[in-house]
Amino acid sequence: QITLKESGPTRVKPTQTLTLTCSFSGFSLSTSGMAVGWIRQPPGKALEWLALIYWDDDKRYSPSLKSRLTITKDTSKNQVVLTMSNMDPVDTGTYYCAHTRGYWGQGTLVTVSS
Amino acid sequence: DIVMTQSPATLSVSPGERATLSCRASQSVSSNLAWYQHKPGQAPRLLIYAASSTATAFPARFSGSGSGTEFTLTISSLQSEDFAVYYCQQYNNWPYSFGQGTKLEIK
Repeated sequence: QITLKESGPTRVKPTQTLTLTCSFSGFSLSTSGMAVGWIRQPPGKALEWLALIYWDDDKRYSPSLKSRLTITKDTSKNQVVLTMSNMDPVDTGTYYCAHTRGYWGQGTLVTVSS
Repeated sequence: DIVMTQSPATLSVSPGERATLSCRASQSVSSNLAWYQHKPGQAPRLLIYAASSTATAFPARFSGSGSGTEFTLTISSLQSEDFAVYYCQQYNNWPYSFGQGTKLEIK
């Protein structure tokens, strides 16, 4: 059974860096073809893919956010970490991690406010 | 980037009736199209992948069709548990992209 769970701060201040961790089980990110990514949803708005990391450490970033994002993996810990720098109130929303085969975590609400 | 457009934004249907949801891509995504069901407080659930393959967790009343730029999700006889928000998502080109969602509500 594949499960994913997000963890991280629920609130950050403007200009701070957000660090989110996705802990998963049921698969190995060292297996060929596997990939895990991050998706967010601002309140009342659409879902948006942020970043994706593959089993071979290939990475993809949203072009509009690329300068602010870093995605890494720790295969030994079954974790994927996303950092987003220079946070702004418009970055408020629910952040999900997801396996590209359709499994998602429950999401974590992040509020950006001073 | 590929823009996904869903219609309608809200669909009011009575239980037992048929619901048809549409999704259009701004350019061809071949059959690399998924549908998700999303209920409040829950993780989105993969419903359809490869445009027409139904995930094992969902019953046969759910079906997907289409290819290229036009896609349809059909729910043949709505049950109470089917009322949710449905999103289409293309995974043909990065960045992957979602439609704005169709809220399926009880009439």
